[in-house]
Amino acid sequence: GNSVTQMEGPVTLSEEAFLTINCTYTATGYPSLFWYVQYPGEGLQLLLKATKADDKGSNKGFEATYRKETTSFHLEKGSVQVSDSAVYFCALSENNAGNMLTFGGGTRLMVKP
Amino acid sequence: DADVTQTPRNRITKTGKRIMLECSQTKGHDRMYWYRQDPGLGLRLIYYSFDVKDINKGEISDGYSVSRQAQAKFSLSLESAIPNQTALYFCATSDLGQGTDTQYFGPGTRLTVL
Repeated sequence: GNSVTQMEGPVTLSEEAFLTINCTYTATGYPSLFWYVQYPGEGLQLLLKATKADDKGSNKGFEATYRKETTSFHLEKGSVQVSDSAVYFCALSENNAGNMLTFGGGTRLMVKP
Repeated sequence: DADVTQTPRNRITKTGKRIMLECSQTKGHDRMYWYRQDPGLGLRLIYYSFDVKDINKGEISDGYSVSRQAQAKFSLSLESAIPNQTALYFCATSDLGQGTDTQYFGPGTRLTVL
């Protein structure tokens, strides 16, 4: 079956540091890949997505590239802010699985001033 | 106003009690989902519905039931709550388009079963 593995947190960074959160996946077909973000006390919201190999999703300074050869979708940001503190979830969906989402365990990011 | 709303936002109950969590959406989406979130486990799918007449079990449906009263409403019930159902519950909606299925989440319901 499908699965998503993320690096465990928490990840603690100083403001303006470079961020990488690793995500790898296992899927039987050709999934779409997502990063969702959960700010404190809120539900998840879509951060970015990529639907095919070599696509790059980007939003709010975050980027992730769909790497089929390494089955990865690592999230990066060049300069984090305190307001980026949240839990980040990598997820996939497959057309042949009814487009259901499979989530990773989430990575908590804490950014200190 | 929020597109996906959940009530209640917080609930404390006792073992054996029946609990209903409600979800409403104004996005006009056909698909609705119920997830639970536990620390370190991400979100796990409980039930999903692709339209009013379509209800499907997810990964962890035991101990739960659902009702799709209308396109806009999808309720989750715990017939006899137990402590290991203490979790954060999320409702989500989606509308398949362009081959992908982006989901939109409610703010969550924190349920504690004593």
